[in-house]
Amino acid sequence: GDSVTQMEGPVTLSEEACLTINCTYTATGYPSLFWYVQYPGEGLQLLLKATKADDKGSNKGFEATYRKETTSFHLEKGSVQVSDSAVYFCALSETNDYKLSFGAGTTVTVRA
Amino acid sequence: NAGVMQNPRHLVRRRGQEARLRCSPMKGHSHVYWYRQLPEEGLKFMVYLQKENIIDESGMPKERFSAEFPKEGPSILRIQQVVRGDSAAYFCASSPVLAGVYNEQFFGPGTRLTVL
Repeated sequence: GDSVTQMEGPVTLSEEACLTINCTYTATGYPSLFWYVQYPGEGLQLLLKATKADDKGSNKGFEATYRKETTSFHLEKGSVQVSDSAVYFCALSETNDYKLSFGAGTTVTVRA
Repeated sequence: NAGVMQNPRHLVRRRGQEARLRCSPMKGHSHVYWYRQLPEEGLKFMVYLQKENIIDESGMPKERFSAEFPKEGPSILRIQQVVRGDSAAYFCASSPVLAGVYNEQFFGPGTRLTVL
C-alpha cells in the first residue's frame, strides 16, 4: 500500500537558518503530494501541494518539488522565523482520492 | 467562520470503557473524514461520512469501532470496550464538497485518547 516516510525530529533551529525536512513515498500509481502544518493547539493546515512530477509547490516561503525519479518531496525554507515552529506532515493521495496517507510528522522549533 | 471543532481534546479511559469522540465540521460542510494517528506513526484514514450516511469505512477496525454523522449535531466516533492499543490521536476533517487534490479537507486539532 501507499506510505510516506519523513525525517524524524525534533528539529531545533535558530532564526534565519535554513530548514529542510526530507520526505519519501511509495505508491502504486501517480499520487498527489502535500505538506501540512500543525501549529500548537490548532488543526492541520494545508501548506502546499504538487500534483505531478517536477511540479513545485510553494507557500509562505516554503517550497517542495515533486521528484518522481527519487520518489521524494522534500520541504525547504531558506530563512525560518520563530512563527514557523510547528509540526510538519508530508502526505499523499492517489489521483484525486479523498483518502490521505501521512508521514509521522516532524516537530520543528525555531529559537530567537 | 469557526474551524473544525473536536472535543474533548484529551480523553482518558480505562480498559473496557467506552470512548466517544465528537467532531463539529465547519459551517456548510457536509463531508466528514476521521483519521487515527498511532504513536510514532502517520495519520491513517478511518472513515468518510456524509449526513446520515457512511460512505467509506474501509480504514476502520471491524470490531468495537463505529461512526455516525446524524442530520443534526456533530459526527461521533465511538470506541467500545477500549484497549491500550486504541491509545492514539484521532483527527477529524471536513469539506464542503467531496475532498480531492483540488478540494481541500480542513482538519480539527484532534482528540488524544489515552487508555489506562
